[in-house]
Amino acid sequence: ILNVEQSPQSLHVQEGDSTNFTCSFPSSNFYALHWYRWETAKSPEALFVMTLNGDEKKKGRISATLNTKEGYSYLYIKGSQPEDSATYLCAFNDDNQGGKLIFGQGTELSVKP
Amino acid sequence: NAGVTQTPKFQVLKTGQSMTLQCAQDMNHNSMYWYRQDPGMGLRLIYYSASEGTTDKGEVPNGYNVSRLNKREFSLRLESAAPSQTSVYFCASSGRGAPYNEQFFGPGTRLTVL
Repeated sequence: ILNVEQSPQSLHVQEGDSTNFTCSFPSSNFYALHWYRWETAKSPEALFVMTLNGDEKKKGRISATLNTKEGYSYLYIKGSQPEDSATYLCAFNDDNQGGKLIFGQGTELSVKP
Repeated sequence: NAGVTQTPKFQVLKTGQSMTLQCAQDMNHNSMYWYRQDPGMGLRLIYYSASEGTTDKGEVPNGYNVSRLNKREFSLRLESAAPSQTSVYFCASSGRGAPYNEQFFGPGTRLTVL
């Protein structure tokens, strides 16, 4: 059974704080690692899709890194804002599973003004 | 483009009742998926369809059936609803033009089984 773990499960920060979360995944048969942002009462939306070891992606104040050899990815948010409050999901896509993604349980971020 | 649409948005059922959740996508994607979301559990795959005419079980298929009616539509049926099926259900699709299996999600159906 493929397992994707995210930590922490939840995080409460003040506006302006920088924060980061971890996603760990199996290091064999790697194809891609996805990060999704999921706001309350909405549907998940893709933030990043990462495929190469050492990959770094950035979108505004949010960035992500990938280490496929050791099986982890970090998501960073610089200068958190209340609108960053959401659940951040990572999902692992392995070579043998076709298009199926294995999702972690998510990190719920709450940013207080 | 509407993307991925789901109906209904909300539904309340009594134990033992049946219903079908509808999903459609207009992105010409080959693959479609049904997930359920429960507190603290993330998204769990119920069934998926890699292409028109094929369906396969995911992580939690018991109590559900699916139909890939055509390339656009993928429905999820609960034959005899149970309280354990109270959840939020999301449909998603992926395919050509979506790199590395990026999935696009519908707005979800919130189902309560009494």
